[in-house]
Amino acid sequence: DVKVTQSSRYLVKRTGEKVFLECVQDMDHENMFWYRQDPGLGLRLIYFSYDVKMKEKGDIPEGYSVSREKKERFSLILESASTNQTSMYLCASSFGAGYFSETQYFGPGTRLLVL
Amino acid sequence: KQEVTQIPAALSVPEGENLVLNCSFTDSAIYNLQWFRQDPGKGLTSLLLIQSSQREQTSGRLNASLDKSSGRSTLYIAASQPGDSATYLCAVRPNNNDMRFGAGTRLTVKP
Repeated sequence: DVKVTQSSRYLVKRTGEKVFLECVQDMDHENMFWYRQDPGLGLRLIYFSYDVKMKEKGDIPEGYSVSREKKERFSLILESASTNQTSMYLCASSFGAGYFSETQYFGPGTRLLVL
Repeated sequence: KQEVTQIPAALSVPEGENLVLNCSFTDSAIYNLQWFRQDPGKGLTSLLLIQSSQREQTSGRLNASLDKSSGRSTLYIAASQPGDSATYLCAVRPNNNDMRFGAGTRLTVKP
């Protein structure tokens, strides 16, 4: 079974802090994704990566950056956390060169609260 | 810009009923459509993926259909069970670099 793990289930941070969210997948998938999920809005894509050190902006990249130094690990960075970044963050991975053409496998999510 | 809508936002049915969840999208030019299940406080589990060239996919008691021309997909659940209670999301891939999700339908199956 594909396993996608996220470093924390719950996080509480203060405004202005730098926040790191980590995601690891164990199936040698090429593609990894970061989404945020807010009530009534569904999931929105922040960034994705199709290879080590490669990244592409999604729908809402402002205020975020990402890092993919190893194939299995994709990090989401909030450079200076703000209250409007309070959300559920979901990481996903998929196989293949078609980015979104194959099934995505999701981690359990990190619920971030920024005070 | 592709928009995905799921109506209703919530649905409650008695156990054993067959039911249909709806997903509509504004632009018929899609690469694929995927249905997911999300349990409270957890990530998403992929249920079915329909490529743009396909009309339907089946897995057990689940059947998903796709009508690109009308911008609609349905997820049919046969003989519903309390364990089917979850939020169901659909997502469309409008191009190679994007995926758009609906807000989901929260399903409750009552024993």
